[in-house]
Amino acid sequence: EIVMTQTPLSSPVTLGQPASISCRSSQSLVHSDGNTYLSWLQQRPGQPPRLLIYKISNRFSGVPDRFSGSGAGTDFTLQISRVEAEDVGVYFCMQGKQPYTFGQGTKLEIK
Amino acid sequence: EVQLVESGGGLVQPGGSLRLSCAASGFSFNNYWINWVRQAPGKGLEWVANINQDGGEKHYVDSVRGRFTISRDNAKNSLYLQMNSLRAEDTAVYYCARGSSRTLDFWGQGTLVTVSS
Repeated sequence: EIVMTQTPLSSPVTLGQPASISCRSSQSLVHSDGNTYLSWLQQRPGQPPRLLIYKISNRFSGVPDRFSGSGAGTDFTLQISRVEAEDVGVYFCMQGKQPYTFGQGTKLEIK
Repeated sequence: EVQLVESGGGLVQPGGSLRLSCAASGFSFNNYWINWVRQAPGKGLEWVANINQDGGEKHYVDSVRGRFTISRDNAKNSLYLQMNSLRAEDTAVYYCARGSSRTLDFWGQGTLVTVSS
């Protein structure tokens, strides 16, 4: 099983300022097909998770362009260029090699 | 519009059984892997199981293998999770989620399963 480790676990951010969350996997996420199946999901309070980013850096339909993903191999980053109030919630990274596993979650809150 | 609606959760005693359902609409159900993911109260996400398009391939997390069974009925656009020998640590909100490009692109609202005496 691949272990996903996120840092930080909590991130207080000022509105309009950038935020960054890191995710490290215990082994390479490069699949035999050449793709790297690393996703980012957002879970707002009281809501189910929502897909933001897939295959490291591809924004899902309807996701604002202030969200971006980067990385390779075992180290990945989610960046929010300018945090808005609606971004409050918990962010999870997820890897797509069976069995799928998630990071512990990073709670984004406003200072 | 893609929709996934879970049902069947509730309170069950340790050692008991429960069957969850997920009704899908708004997409070609038989073209997608479908997953179950759970979230214990106040905790993170744990992938539980998934099933391929025709039901011939299934995967489970180690903690439920042998106790839970995932299945689907493509004629009814429905996914199921039969849960037997339930334990307190199975208490969670159970989500069904559509699989695409080895990610989970659409999620239901979830159904709460509570295992307690």
